[in-house]
Amino acid sequence: EAGVAQSPRYKIIEKRQSVAFWCNPISGHATLYWYQQILGQGPKLLIQFQNNGVVDDSQLPKDRFSAERLKGVDSTLKIQPAKLEDSAVYLCASSTGTGSPRPRIFGPGTRLTVL
Amino acid sequence: EDQVTQSPEALRLQEGESSSLNCSYTVSGLRGLFWYRQDPGKGPEFLFTLYSAGEEKEKERLKATLTKKESFLHITAPKPEDSATYLCAVQADKLIFGTGTRLQVFP
Repeated sequence: EAGVAQSPRYKIIEKRQSVAFWCNPISGHATLYWYQQILGQGPKLLIQFQNNGVVDDSQLPKDRFSAERLKGVDSTLKIQPAKLEDSAVYLCASSTGTGSPRPRIFGPGTRLTVL
Repeated sequence: EDQVTQSPEALRLQEGESSSLNCSYTVSGLRGLFWYRQDPGKGPEFLFTLYSAGEEKEKERLKATLTKKESFLHITAPKPEDSATYLCAVQADKLIFGTGTRLQVFP
């Protein structure tokens, strides 16, 4: 089966600019996640969707970050305006939604550099 | 506060030299523990899920075990292609990732 797709793979922007990332999860996976991974750290959850709805966005910096998942499939994550500390890898993941805890299946990530 | 700690931070092994990576946790209500492998420039790749103490899973040279307070990832006779960062993640109320163990296996 096809994996989680993300684009772009790399992005370099100046601080205060805006940027958007796109994710297409594994077909049939109801739950979609966006994670931020800073070098040398484990992934940190930014937002979790179940179908179209937001389940957890408690760690999303809502003054600058936004995310949406239209029609319960693709998702976009936007940063506006970007800060230097947003330099990280942004990982999208998906999982089947119900029952025992399911592993997140990750995409390749987008490496963001903010100058 | 829920916490996940991985050790060692980095490990260098000679090819064929078996060893273990540790993931210790303090959480309320463990629901599952996941192991991932992450290569440079890539997303984490799922390896194993463990749900309860005493459970073991194996895949090729890797074996994961779980107790009530920690998990081990045993690597038997590693090869250079096993070089990667290994992450564990603990599912309680939320999923918490450790910071990983960076493994280097040299010929």
